[in-house]
Amino acid sequence: GDSVTQMEGPVTLSEEAFLTINCTYTATGYPSLFWYVQYPGEGLQLLLKATKADDKGSNKGFEATYRKETTSFHLEKGSVQVSDSAVYFCALSDRTGGGNKLTFGTGTQLKVEL
Amino acid sequence: DAGITQSPRYKITETGRQVTLMCHQTWSHSYMFWYRQDLGHGLRLIYYSAAADITDKGEVPDGYVVSRSKTENFPLTLESATRSQTSVYFCASSEKEISYEQYFGPGTRLTVT
Repeated sequence: GDSVTQMEGPVTLSEEAFLTINCTYTATGYPSLFWYVQYPGEGLQLLLKATKADDKGSNKGFEATYRKETTSFHLEKGSVQVSDSAVYFCALSDRTGGGNKLTFGTGTQLKVEL
Repeated sequence: DAGITQSPRYKITETGRQVTLMCHQTWSHSYMFWYRQDLGHGLRLIYYSAAADITDKGEVPDGYVVSRSKTENFPLTLESATRSQTSVYFCASSEKEISYEQYFGPGTRLTVT
């Protein structure tokens, strides 16, 4: 079945450092890909998405490009802030199974320090 | 308030008790979902619903029951709570096969003693 693999955390960075969180996927068909963010004590919020190969999703300075050839959707940000500290989840849409379902990775915790 | 709400936000119950977690959304989304979040497992789908009176099992349905008599509500019941069901539970909703984007509630932290 479909699956998402994320790099394990926690990832600890200094403010203004460059961020990469790796995400690779296995899927049949052509899924849409998502990054969700979860701030402490809250539910998940959609950060960005891409619906087809070579699409780039972007939001709040974060970017991710849908790479079909490497089955990857790595999250990047050029300069992180303390306020970016959160858990980040990569996910894909399960088109074959139907039901609007998403398959999530296990999440990567990001800690940004001054 | 518009959006998706969950109640209670925190719940402590004893092993063997029945407990119901509530989820309500105001968007009239067709799809609704229940997940549990545990360290090392990310989010795992318990049950989902494509419309009122239509529900289906997810990855980890054992020990849980759902119903959906109205589009806006999707309660999750633990019929006889066990310690392994201690977790954070999230409800989510999604429009019908448009973008697959899901909107999440704030979560319910359940502790089974």
